[in-house]
Amino acid sequence: DTGVSQDPRHKITKRGQNVTFRCDPISEHNRLYWYRQTLGQGPEFLTYFQNEAQLEKSRLLSDRFSAERPKGSFSTLEIQRTEQGDSAMYLCASSQDRGHQPQHFGDGTRLSIL
Amino acid sequence: GEDVEQSLFLSVREGDSSVINCTYTDSSSTYLYWYKQEPGAGLQLLTYIFSNMDMKQDQRLTVLLNKKDKHLSLRIADTQTGDSAIYFCAESRAGGGNKLTFGTGTQLKVEL
Repeated sequence: DTGVSQDPRHKITKRGQNVTFRCDPISEHNRLYWYRQTLGQGPEFLTYFQNEAQLEKSRLLSDRFSAERPKGSFSTLEIQRTEQGDSAMYLCASSQDRGHQPQHFGDGTRLSIL
Repeated sequence: GEDVEQSLFLSVREGDSSVINCTYTDSSSTYLYWYKQEPGAGLQLLTYIFSNMDMKQDQRLTVLLNKKDKHLSLRIADTQTGDSAIYFCAESRAGGGNKLTFGTGTQLKVEL
């Protein structure tokens, strides 16, 4: 069990560029969550998947944000036309869905917009 | 509405006990969690408690839950320098897909 893996760990890009982050959950975890954490704050829920189905996306911050999990395994989070306010840590978590199972987090992708 | 609050900072001496407090507003919270975050890293799950319980102990960690007052605390016994980190309280609700609502975090500093 290698834990939740996120790639890249750091991303620096210019304003207006598109970025894509990847998350590989713990194997056999069929729930996958994305959160955003800004400096000095706790993580803020964005969206989650049960297998390949995206069950809630109302918290995605704007239509520039989208997430996919096409085969029910890894997931990608894309931000189009990045803005300076998108600078944050993007965290992925996964859990099993039988009974109550806590979420386990990856180390995150830190995004810096120049 | 959903709101989780924590004090921002706590400083203790090595070997003392630390108590980190959290209040929440959502009476439908089912599980409450404590996560630890070290600089530049993700969140490490420490422990969690079901809302029907009032206490849970796990080695040096003791969680107390006062559901009536919506107050959660984390006690760390024999605090060590390696415990220095930010500690987040979080809650989840039934039927919410288990998504978590976090507090702003408490920075724990352990001094020699």
